[in-house]
Amino acid sequence: DVKVTQSSRYLVKRTGEKVFLECVQDMDHENMFWYRQDPGLGLRLIYFSYDVKMKEKGDIPEGYSVSREKKERFSLILESASTNQTSMYLCASSFTDYNSPLHFGNGTRLTVT
Amino acid sequence: GNSVTQMEGPVTLSEEAFLTINCTYTATGYPSLFWYVQYPGEGLQLLLKATKADDKGSNKGFEATYRKETTSFHLEKGSVQVSDSAVYFCALSKGAQKLVFGQGTRLTINP
Repeated sequence: DVKVTQSSRYLVKRTGEKVFLECVQDMDHENMFWYRQDPGLGLRLIYFSYDVKMKEKGDIPEGYSVSREKKERFSLILESASTNQTSMYLCASSFTDYNSPLHFGNGTRLTVT
Repeated sequence: GNSVTQMEGPVTLSEEAFLTINCTYTATGYPSLFWYVQYPGEGLQLLLKATKADDKGSNKGFEATYRKETTSFHLEKGSVQVSDSAVYFCALSKGAQKLVFGQGTRLTINP
């Protein structure tokens, strides 16, 4: 079974802190994604990566950056956390085949106070 | 642009009831369509998919048919169980698996 592991289930940070969310997958997937999930808005794509050291902006990249130094690991970085970044963050991975399904981690619920 | 609209939730049904969750989409070209399910405390997992018009995706008793003429991909199940309680997301792909999701529909099944 594919496993996508997010390092923290719950995280509480203060406004202005630098926050790292880590994601690791064990299926040698080329693609990795970061989404945020908010009630009534569904999932929105923040960033994705289709190869090591490659990244592309999604629909809501403002206030975020990412890092992919190794194929299995994709990090989301909040340079200076703000209260409007309080959300559930979901990592996903997939092969590059057009219809290959996304495999999701269990999510990190981030609260910024 | 590409978008997905799902029926508003929450939806509450009794066990063995018939389920329909509506999903319509707006897209250029011919996207692939998906239903994902999120059980409490878990990430999303693929429930079913359809890659071209008139395709029917099915899994675990759920079905959805890709209707190009009505730009719809409604999810149905003939007899729901308590274990089907979850949040359901309709999604379309616009290349490179950059999925566009609907807002999600929370389903609760009462025994």
